Formats: sequence, C-alpha cells, structure tokens
Amino acid sequence: DGGITQSPKYLFRKEGQNVTLSCEQNLNHDAMYWYRQDPGQGLRLIYYSQIVNDFQKGDIAEGYSVSREKKESFPLTVTSAQKNPTAFYLCASSIFPGGIYEQYFGPGTRLTVT
Amino acid sequence: GENVGLHLPTLSVQEGDNSIINCAYSNSASDYFIWYKQESGKGPQFIIDIRSNMDKRQGQRVTVLLNKTVKHLSLQIAATQPGDSAVYFCAENMFNAGGTSYGKLTFGQGTILTVHP
Repeated sequence: DGGITQSPKYLFRKEGQNVTLSCEQNLNHDAMYWYRQDPGQGLRLIYYSQIVNDFQKGDIAEGYSVSREKKESFPLTVTSAQKNPTAFYLCASSIFPGGIYEQYFGPGTRLTVT
Repeated sequence: GENVGLHLPTLSVQEGDNSIINCAYSNSASDYFIWYKQESGKGPQFIIDIRSNMDKRQGQRVTVLLNKTVKHLSLQIAATQPGDSAVYFCAENMFNAGGTSYGKLTFGQGTILTVHP
C-alpha cells in the first residue's frame, strides 16, 4: 500500500528531553511537510522540504529541527527549546513542482510532554 | 498577514439534509483551494479542490463553489450522512507573481460538522 506512515501514534516525554517523530512516505513525492495541531485549532506549518537535502522554516519553526537525507523520510525533532511541545503532529507529502498540490497526510503522532 | 478563515465554527444537521460549510479568504494571490475532512484523532483527508479559474467543481456528493468577487469558498455536502461528521478545513495554496507555488498550504480554523441520525 502506498501512503505516509508516522510513528509512534502516541509519545510521552519528560520536559527537557528532545524527541524525534518519524515520517516515511512511499509515494515517491518530492515535497514533505510537518504541521502542528492544537485542540480546536487548524494546522500550523512547522517545516517543509521540497527536495532532498533542502528544507525551509514554516510559520512556527522555533524549537523544532528537521532533516531530509532521503526522499522518503522527513523526521522532526522537538527540542527542549520548544516551550509548548504537547500537540498533535501531522506529516504530509505532495508532488512538487507543478500540477495539483494536494497534500497527503499521515495518521499523526500525539506528543505529550510532562 | 493574510489568512484563510471560516464563518462558522460548528454546524449541526439532520441526516439526509444538505450541508454548507463556508470559508473566507483575503489573499487575492491565492489560486488554488482545497477542502479537507478530519475525523477525530486522524490525519486530514482530501475531499475536493478548485483552481481560481473555476467557479464550481463537483465530486461525489460534494460541490465546491468559489466566489472570487467576495473571496468566499464553500463546500456543499449533499444528503449528509452520520459518517460525514468531522472537522472540515479549507486551505489555500498561494502562488507568487511568476505563477510558482510557494509549496505550502495555509489552513483555516475548521468547522465541526455534526450529523444527527
């Protein structure tokens, strides 16, 4: 099956620890994205990558870091510098450039930091 | 900055009724709009999209209408079913003056649709 996988579904960490969220896609998409969603809110863009070894900050990049060493993988690290890390994190991918820019989303990872 | 927003945060309908979910946008440079459906605890699912050179686009039980004059987007769901209960987001994909996408979506707040049997 083609799609986007995120793991784990639920993640718990202590305050002050860095944590890395996994995102893998086998759709052969060039572009990948990370969003944060808080309860009752829309999606806010953290980072995005249009090609391998390149990525750009989104609207709320502070306290997060990413890498894009492989086309199919776009891990997100939530660092201890992120003041409010508890949230639902969504990874997405899309074909880029050109054409329709529909983004396909993974199932999400719910991170709880105490 | 310019935002995509929604008029109504919640919408309750009876099964079988038609539902209309609205979205306002303020960025005249936006050329492409998408509607997503998100069920509780899951990632958003693509419903339908529309480009600015169109006024209307239809899918299976869904229709998206775009009114560029008033910068308004709506999603119509025909014969709404309990399985349609979810949060619905509109999103816009902005293009620069050269016609190249910025490659990122801006999402609205979302509308909670509840369908009563």
